[in-house]
Amino acid sequence: DTEVTQTPKHLVMGMTNKKSLKCEQHMGHRAMYWYKQKAKKPPELMFVYSYEKLSINESVPSRFSPECPNSSLLNLHLHALQPEDSALYLCASSSHRNQPQHFGDGTRLSIL
Amino acid sequence: KNEVEQSPQNLTAQEGEFITINCSYSVGISALHWLQQHPGGGIVSLFMLSSGKKKHGRLIATINIQEKHSSLHITASHPRDSAVYICAGFLWDTDKLIFGTGTRLQVFP
Repeated sequence: DTEVTQTPKHLVMGMTNKKSLKCEQHMGHRAMYWYKQKAKKPPELMFVYSYEKLSINESVPSRFSPECPNSSLLNLHLHALQPEDSALYLCASSSHRNQPQHFGDGTRLSIL
Repeated sequence: KNEVEQSPQNLTAQEGEFITINCSYSVGISALHWLQQHPGGGIVSLFMLSSGKKKHGRLIATINIQEKHSSLHITASHPRDSAVYICAGFLWDTDKLIFGTGTRLQVFP
């Protein structure tokens, strides 16, 4: 069982929809991460939150909007996505920025 | 350039064989992570190393800082070890992980 919980596990949405991905951890970790992973490729970093503040944004298009409402929760709001945004979206957390990351099982996103 | 290179890309083995996956990395990487990803997505962090050697069950990870090289060994491999193994270097100046391309391991009974 993973200690980082991501919901939903699968999401299919149209290009005009608005949806959100959710990530939750109760390990007291203060750093949380969003990654995007295409098939047979390594994960690509999207965003990093440290102490609930956005510290890294890897030039991600504005149709992806992260939010960290508290130290346990991380959301990724999606709007007007493109078919090439179909991927596995992974959340991770670590006690601090330079510590091992714990990954969730991911949300598999398909854009129609 | 910050890089992490893994080899081999694909590896097949018979159950019980000893397996080694290699990872070389560039200057600026202060620690090396070994990760395991099963089909279906979830990633498990196996080890984080900045020096020496770590062991957990049948898994052993070593790192040679002078040569900027790390290895992941699996003893007495089992079909349930079949997965993608990824090494990732932690960049000390940006606190980011740089991922290798992964090694796809299949262990046959």
